[in-house]
Amino acid sequence: DVKVTQSSRYLVKRTGEKVFLECVQDMDHENMFWYRQDPGLGLRLIYFSYDVKMKEKGDIPEGYSVSREKKERFSLILESASTNQTSMYLCASSLSQYSNQPQHFGDGTRLSIL
Amino acid sequence: AQSVAQPEDQVNVAEGNPLTVKCTYSVSGNPYLFWYVQYPNRGLQFLLKYITGDNLVKGSYGFEAEFNKSQTSFHLKKPSALVSDSALYFCAVRGRRSKAAGNKLTFGGGTRVLVKP
Repeated sequence: DVKVTQSSRYLVKRTGEKVFLECVQDMDHENMFWYRQDPGLGLRLIYFSYDVKMKEKGDIPEGYSVSREKKERFSLILESASTNQTSMYLCASSLSQYSNQPQHFGDGTRLSIL
Repeated sequence: AQSVAQPEDQVNVAEGNPLTVKCTYSVSGNPYLFWYVQYPNRGLQFLLKYITGDNLVKGSYGFEAEFNKSQTSFHLKKPSALVSDSALYFCAVRGRRSKAAGNKLTFGGGTRVLVKP
């Protein structure tokens, strides 16, 4: 089974801090994604990566950046955390560029910015 | 642009009764369609997908979904609901004409299912 592991389940940070969320997948997947999940809004794509060192903006990239130095690891960075970034963050991976492959999700990081 | 609508925020059903969760989509060309389920404090789990072929797709845990091209719908169904089916359900779509890199999906807002004993 595919395993996508997010480093923290719960995280509390302060406004203005630089925040790092880490995600690791163990199935040699090419694609990795970061979403945020808010009630009533579903999942919104922040950034994704289809190869090492490659990244593309999703629908809501403002205030975020990403890093993918190794194939198995995809990091989300909040450059200067703000209270409106309090949310559930979900990482996902998928096998290849073939678009009929499902994405596999981690258990999420619930981030609170005070 | 592609989009997904899940018109019901919540669906209540008695255990043993049929369960239907509605989904309609908008996309250029033919779609790839997916259903996911999310249990409390967990990530999304893949249930089933429509790629091509038979309009009735069978997936995990006894769920199935029917693709209807004319109505642009992909409703999730289960003939006999269980209390353990109580969860949040998401429909997602991707257009086949979309850029291949990245396999981006567009998700609906989610429907909470509550199955009562």
